[in-house]
Amino acid sequence: KQEVTQIPAALSVPEGENLVLNCSFTDSAIYNLQWFRQDPGKGLTSLLLIQSSQREQTSGRLNASLDKSSGRSTLYIAASQPGDSATYLCAVRPFTGGFKTIFGAGTRLFVKA
Amino acid sequence: EAQVTQNPRYLITVTGKKLTVTCSQNMNHEYMSWYRQDPGLGLRQIYYSMNVEVTDKGDVPEGYKVSRKEKRNFPLILESPSPNQTSLYFCASSPGTGAFGENIQYFGAGTRLSVL
Repeated sequence: KQEVTQIPAALSVPEGENLVLNCSFTDSAIYNLQWFRQDPGKGLTSLLLIQSSQREQTSGRLNASLDKSSGRSTLYIAASQPGDSATYLCAVRPFTGGFKTIFGAGTRLFVKA
Repeated sequence: EAQVTQNPRYLITVTGKKLTVTCSQNMNHEYMSWYRQDPGLGLRQIYYSMNVEVTDKGDVPEGYKVSRKEKRNFPLILESPSPNQTSLYFCASSPGTGAFGENIQYFGAGTRLSVL
């Protein structure tokens, strides 16, 4: 059964620091992996989606990588800002047909001004 | 504006009183899905639908029903709610196109349900 783990559960960094959030999954048979941002009391906003055939995706200060063979993805945030404070979740869509989606529990990020 | 709309945003009810949470999307998306979010557990998928009249179970379907009679609507029904269904619920939709699994999911703002 596919399991998704995100470490650390929480992270506090000073403004301006570059940081990496980790996501690992147990079964490499996936269609894609998606990174989301969730602000308190709000829904999820899609940040980046990496297809199974891709190695990375970039959007502004964000870069997400995917290594299916090792079951790992990283979200790199450059020059962090207080506005980046949120919970970041990764989710995989297993290669089992249908539209199942498995989420990690998230990393809560706090960027100090 | 492209969006996924859930109603109500907040709901307090009592054990056993049937309720429905509505979800509607205006993007003509094929796929729709319901999730629940609990502290420390992340989001868990309840049900999903790949098209009108096509639904399937996610990881935690027990105690829930869904229907997809129209493409834009995907209501979540709790026939006899229990306290363990107290949670934050999210509806999501996705275009369902793309040969290589492109399926960005767009989420509603959430429904916070308390069952007493």
